[in-house]
Amino acid sequence: DQQVKQNSPSLSVQEGRISILNCDYTNSMFDYFLWYKKYPAEGPTFLISISSIKDKNEDGRFTVFLNKSAKHLSLHIVPSQPGDSAVYFCAAKVDNSKLTFGKGITLSVRP
Amino acid sequence: DTEVTQTPKHLVMGMTNKKSLKCEQHMGHRAMYWYKQKAKKPPELMFVYSYEKLSINESVPSRFSPECPNSSLLNLHLHALQPEDSALYLCASSQEAGGMGTGELFFGEGSRLTVL
Repeated sequence: DQQVKQNSPSLSVQEGRISILNCDYTNSMFDYFLWYKKYPAEGPTFLISISSIKDKNEDGRFTVFLNKSAKHLSLHIVPSQPGDSAVYFCAAKVDNSKLTFGKGITLSVRP
Repeated sequence: DTEVTQTPKHLVMGMTNKKSLKCEQHMGHRAMYWYKQKAKKPPELMFVYSYEKLSINESVPSRFSPECPNSSLLNLHLHALQPEDSALYLCASSQEAGGMGTGELFFGEGSRLTVL
């Protein structure tokens, strides 16, 4: 049973436009959410996170929004750059438990 | 450059071989992890070490044997693997086990394992 779902396997956007990556979850006990970015042949790298007590966290071009009532979070990248092309994993955790990852979404930013 | 170093980057082994994957971090993190990742799948947790003691084993077959010689090193000993064990094996570390606090994990680049 997937507790963290990334239902779209891929997304393609034009350079300079906004990329919106979505993630849904089923466990209402999750208290922290993270986004990881992964290039081919590399390990995932931490991108941005948000606590369940917040609804928005911003870091440069990256903003994560959390809608607890809908059990939904999204990662906005604006403006998108070709170097952003990668696989993005949404992850969540409860207290001190392990991270639960989504399946990932492949973002392609066209020049 | 990643601060979690994994060796080797690529490993090909037969089903009767014994090999080891190695991981090293010098960030002073107290928790280290092994994950397995298959193509187009999320990373799957295998083991967690907290303060050099095994704290989580996600029902991993005994042909995978982890070892934590000290707080900076984590090994994964491999023996009698199956072709379906071919995957990318990722090592990660965090300040505390279970990701207390932010839950942020620092991953290595991974070791690509192929079992023939």
